[in-house]
Amino acid sequence: NAGVMQNPRHLVRRRGQEARLRCSPMKGHSHVYWYRQLPEEGLKFMVYLQKENIIDESGMPKERFSAEFPKEGPSILRIQQVVRGDSAAYFCASSPTSGGQETQYFGPGTRLLVL
Amino acid sequence: DAKTTQPPSMDCAEGRAANLPCNHSTISGNEYVYWYRQIHSQGPQYIIHGLKNNETNEMASLIITEDRKSSTLILPHATLRDTAVYYCIVGVSRNDYKLSFGAGTTVTVRA
Repeated sequence: NAGVMQNPRHLVRRRGQEARLRCSPMKGHSHVYWYRQLPEEGLKFMVYLQKENIIDESGMPKERFSAEFPKEGPSILRIQQVVRGDSAAYFCASSPTSGGQETQYFGPGTRLLVL
Repeated sequence: DAKTTQPPSMDCAEGRAANLPCNHSTISGNEYVYWYRQIHSQGPQYIIHGLKNNETNEMASLIITEDRKSSTLILPHATLRDTAVYYCIVGVSRNDYKLSFGAGTTVTVRA
């Protein structure tokens, strides 16, 4: 009964490169949420996706960031042309139904370091 | 625009109860109080939530004051593995999926 899986756990990129973060939700979960935690700060909501649909991307920067959750495979958070300010921990959560805060289960996170 | 206020840190002796306070004086009538915790280098973990009645589960108890302006999370017998940052969050259950984490309370359980 695997939980939410994220990979890689650690990712190092140089400025200008692309970062791809993957999230496999818990079995049976069709809702995925991405959060970002900047150093010394709390988690901030970025985007909420269901299979093949972006439901709410209000917390995601308008440029360079994109997210998808295809019919098959993991959810992907993509950051193009990374900058040092993108260095953070990125957490994915999944839930079996829409909303319901108590039902969001988090993965271990991907720690992105931009050099 | 913080909706909750928590002390930045607290220590607790192993085996003792840990009482974590949270102020949420602007909470609305239909907003729940949620508690999560984040152990170092891990993702947040749901602990408990409540509306106005006290709640208890296998992890903790939640005491909400009658006016709902504050609450206390109680870890009945703290262990070293309870060392974590604890977050108090208010929101509307079922419809409000955007968890909003503040700075939380860093709880250190000492042997």
